[in-house]
Amino acid sequence: EVQLVESGGGLVQPGESLRLSCAASGFTFSDHSMDWVRQAPGKGLEWVGRSKQKAESYTTEYAASVKGRFTTSRDGSKNSLYLQMNSLKTEDTAVYYCARVNPSENYSFDYWGQGTLVTVSS
Amino acid sequence: DIQMTQSPSSLSASVGDRVTITCRASQDIRNDLDWHQQKPGKAPKRLIYATSTLQSGVPSRFSGSGSGTDFTLTISSLQPEDSATYYCLQRNSYPLTFGGGTKVEIK
Repeated sequence: EVQLVESGGGLVQPGESLRLSCAASGFTFSDHSMDWVRQAPGKGLEWVGRSKQKAESYTTEYAASVKGRFTTSRDGSKNSLYLQMNSLKTEDTAVYYCARVNPSENYSFDYWGQGTLVTVSS
Repeated sequence: DIQMTQSPSSLSASVGDRVTITCRASQDIRNDLDWHQQKPGKAPKRLIYATSTLQSGVPSRFSGSGSGTDFTLTISSLQPEDSATYYCLQRNSYPLTFGGGTKVEIK
């Protein structure tokens, strides 16, 4: 069974850093790109970034709103995806989800984690 | 960036009604369009991918159609458990972009 479990959220002040984790199980982690998507309170979904699969050399893509501040990485030995968030702003307050990308299903998101809340406030 | 314009932003319909939600892309995205459903306090879940392929386990009253720039999600006979917010997502090019969402309420 595919499972994605995010952790690491919390309350931080503007300008601080935070690292989120997404623990994956039930599938071959290296065969899938993994994405981060966020949702500000009461708002819609916003794509944040992607850690591509091994076949794409684990390269990354980012939304303009986070490029240069956020970095996604993965540890294959732990089947974990990470989102390092630096220079946090109040507008980064959101629930952060990780999602699996399925190359066999048109590179669509087929599984989502439950999300972790990040609050940036002074 | 590709803009996804989703309409309506909300709707209220009765059980058994046919409901249609549309998404328009600012440029051709072929069939690289998915629909996700989100219930309050829960993570989204995929309903349809590649415009019209139904996720396993999703009731057949849900269907998707379209190509290029205009896409539709249809619920053929609305059920109480369909009360949720629905989002389209284009995967044709980076950055991936979501529609603004459609909140579906049951009268």
